[in-house]
Amino acid sequence: EPEVTQTPSHQVTQMGQEVILRCVPISNHLYFYWYRQILGQKVEFLVSFYNNEISEKSEIFDDQFSVERPDGSNFTLKIRSTKLEDSAMYFCASSGRAGSSYNEQFFGPGTRLTVL
Amino acid sequence: DAKTTQPPSMDCAEGRAANLPCNHSTISGNEYVYWYRQIHSQGPQYIIHGLKNNETNEMASLIITEDRKSSTLILPHATLRDTAVYYCIVRVGTGRRALTFGSGTRLQVQP
Repeated sequence: EPEVTQTPSHQVTQMGQEVILRCVPISNHLYFYWYRQILGQKVEFLVSFYNNEISEKSEIFDDQFSVERPDGSNFTLKIRSTKLEDSAMYFCASSGRAGSSYNEQFFGPGTRLTVL
Repeated sequence: DAKTTQPPSMDCAEGRAANLPCNHSTISGNEYVYWYRQIHSQGPQYIIHGLKNNETNEMASLIITEDRKSSTLILPHATLRDTAVYYCIVRVGTGRRALTFGSGTRLQVQP
């Protein structure tokens, strides 16, 4: 069964460093998302991406964040200058098979980001 | 998107049906009810969704009241692997919009 994959599973970085979280969405999906979950808190939406541009973003997704689909398979989230409060589990999701009438979102296993 | 209310936790005996309620009294006509679950710290997993008719798939059944102000997710024969946080989400349409997760219901399946 096709699945969303994410790398790395755990990333440790120093405050102020840049990190790139990588995701490989399900191959025939059209919409891509990033969510995050701070330990013990709710899952929060960050950004959605469709047709090579951001279609929706939350207040969390400020100028330190960016997303990119550099090729036909990868979807990345870059955090330019990490802060302690960026420590969280980051989930990638994809949805929307071509020709599908509805869009359940399929989530990856997550990348745990720890900022020291 | 309409607000939802779920009990914070529930217990269920293994092999019995788990019935998870959700109130969404402000739901509007074009909003769907979605259920997702999150097992431990894994990524959320889609379970089922519906507009006004009851729905069933291989994982669960969704019962939506006639006035659509509440719904119940039914896991017919709960197993230990069904221990998870279950999220009821109301969202416009079936398109690509973001999901807004609440606190959900923590279901503990007891052996």
